[in-house]
Amino acid sequence: DTAVSQTPKYLVTQMGNDKSIKCEQNLGHDTMYWYKQDSKKFLKIMFSYNNKELIINETVPNRFSPKSPDKAHLNLHINSLELGDSAVYFCASSQAVTYGYTFGSGTRLTVV
Amino acid sequence: DQQVKQNSPSLSVQEGRISILNCDYTNSMFDYFLWYKKYPAEGPTFLISISSIKDKNEDGRFTVFLNKSAKHLSLHIVPSQPGDSAVYFCASNKGPGNQFYFGTGTSLTVIP
Repeated sequence: DTAVSQTPKYLVTQMGNDKSIKCEQNLGHDTMYWYKQDSKKFLKIMFSYNNKELIINETVPNRFSPKSPDKAHLNLHINSLELGDSAVYFCASSQAVTYGYTFGSGTRLTVV
Repeated sequence: DQQVKQNSPSLSVQEGRISILNCDYTNSMFDYFLWYKKYPAEGPTFLISISSIKDKNEDGRFTVFLNKSAKHLSLHIVPSQPGDSAVYFCASNKGPGNQFYFGTGTSLTVIP
């Protein structure tokens, strides 16, 4: 029973398209995150939601919009995809009062 | 601005010997430190942590050492096993509720 699940695992799409990546956690955690791992393997936070409320929004283009319909889900929608958006995107969750994250297995996005 | 650095992208160690993975950080406000292990096509999984009030934490074959004055932490794996072959990320933050900053990872290969 997967704790943090992301779909799809792989996504290949053309420049200019709009795509979404879904994330669900069944751990009852209060906080969910989106991280981007670029070609240099650098894991960088993009967004953080606590109980459906946005609490961290790093410098990310407006084309990226997170949506949290409930505290178990945090989806990432990307408009007008660009070549530079190609990366692995990780969803993660944590309990507010504890340390450390539980990560999903990642979504490899390739923009061609 | 990379606040957590892992300067060795890769490390090879013979089975049964000690593996030492290093991590440096720049922010003196960092309070909590974690190591994550990542297999290919999977998300990072939590391995071991240490808070700034300690200088050593041990869990089975894994020991993390923290040198606050040098802003340096290391992960020791002894004895190393082939199943330890993975990418290891260190991460740190300023305490509960704050985002984690990740290093770029060190790929460990344990040679049978």
